[in-house]
Amino acid sequence: DSGVTQTPKHLITATGQRVTLRCSPRSGDLSVYWYQQSLDQGLQFLIQYYNGEERAKGNILERFSAQQFPDLHSELNLSSLELGDSALYFCASSVTAGSGNTIYFGEGSWLTVV
Amino acid sequence: DAKTTQPPSMDCAEGRAANLPCNHSTISGNEYVYWYRQIHSQGPQYIIHGLKNNETNEMASLIITEDRKSSTLILPHATLRDTAVYYCIVRVGTLYGQNFVFGPGTRLSVLP
Repeated sequence: DSGVTQTPKHLITATGQRVTLRCSPRSGDLSVYWYQQSLDQGLQFLIQYYNGEERAKGNILERFSAQQFPDLHSELNLSSLELGDSALYFCASSVTAGSGNTIYFGEGSWLTVV
Repeated sequence: DAKTTQPPSMDCAEGRAANLPCNHSTISGNEYVYWYRQIHSQGPQYIIHGLKNNETNEMASLIITEDRKSSTLILPHATLRDTAVYYCIVRVGTLYGQNFVFGPGTRLSVLP
């Protein structure tokens, strides 16, 4: 158990819908990261937050957005869902934002778009 | 950005040492090498990391060549539960923000 908690574990929704994935970082960690893993692609970095502030951005679609709240939990919002958005979404956390920090992953949220 | 190259797959007999190689010839002086593994579709699990010196923890050993262009992860006594995809990562980032870029990794199969 890494200490990173993600909910829900599984989610099935229809195309065009909007979902929110939630992440609670490890106790004491201020930075959170979101990754997407689909069947035909590896782990793709989406975005990083540190203490509520966006710090790094990867290949995150405009239909996707994220935020980190004052209590440090984070949410990833996925809208206008398409079949291709079906994937495993991981959250990770680290103590601080920059180099020298190991990141620890949660168990992921399975999203299936039908 | 520093890139890593790993063999796509390897087999290892149970109880033997598993040696997983990684090339990172474009690594810069202040970049760490990290190893993670992913069992089935579980969250990637941190194994070990290092900068210049060899490192050992309860899970594995990391051997980094003197020129830092390659490294080897060693699982000293592989078990069936070590069957997983192993990722060698050179972190991209600054003090401001960072990203762990995952390649396809090495699929290690531990055979009975």
